[in-house]
Amino acid sequence: LAKTTQPISMDSYEGQEVNITCSHNNIATNDYITWYQQFPSQGPRFIIQGYKTKVTNEVASLFIPADRKSSTLSLPRVSLSDTAVYYCLVGDKGNTPLVFGKGTRLSVIA
Amino acid sequence: GAVVSQHPSRVICKSGTSVKIECRSLDFQATTMFWYRQFPKQSLMLMATSNEGSKATYEQGVEKDKFLINHASLTLSTLTVTSAHPEDSSFYICSARGPGTAYSNQPQHFGDGTRLSIL
Repeated sequence: LAKTTQPISMDSYEGQEVNITCSHNNIATNDYITWYQQFPSQGPRFIIQGYKTKVTNEVASLFIPADRKSSTLSLPRVSLSDTAVYYCLVGDKGNTPLVFGKGTRLSVIA
Repeated sequence: GAVVSQHPSRVICKSGTSVKIECRSLDFQATTMFWYRQFPKQSLMLMATSNEGSKATYEQGVEKDKFLINHASLTLSTLTVTSAHPEDSSFYICSARGPGTAYSNQPQHFGDGTRLSIL
């Protein structure tokens, strides 16, 4: 299973754009990249998923370079409610489980 | 969207009690479900993978006789913590993944977790 590396923590002011980069050097051909958000005492919540290039939805964008060895989650104009732990995971479409790394603890400051 | 429901959300019980946690996929069929546990300030640790109609696959170090998993239908998996002790106190989270196709990849959807406290 591909291992991911993310910054342990990040701080940001409200209204700023936050970019969290994840490294996954040994990503396999069949692997997708998925980001989750977790608040205390809640299960992880799906944010966005991609395979290559750029993916955008109503809450975030995901940038994936051509070599797919890293990815960047972009959160536009964060608010205090975006304070959470963000996990980057890679895995294939089969029944292999997602293995969580340590995640990035984002703190949004007023 | 896809919803995974986990019940109960919180359990407090005496040492030696067995506790059952249910995980249901509400609007999709889950051929595979996963169980994780999470200690405070730590990441999720995979405990086991359950596939409908077959035995669960446990991660190294997880006692299968301690943590009984049953995936009896395409919408329900249960985790039973047998003879629970204080060291079993943790946050247990399930996730479910529906069947994928050649052109899509179903993301895992997570329940809201069960906080288990053993006195």
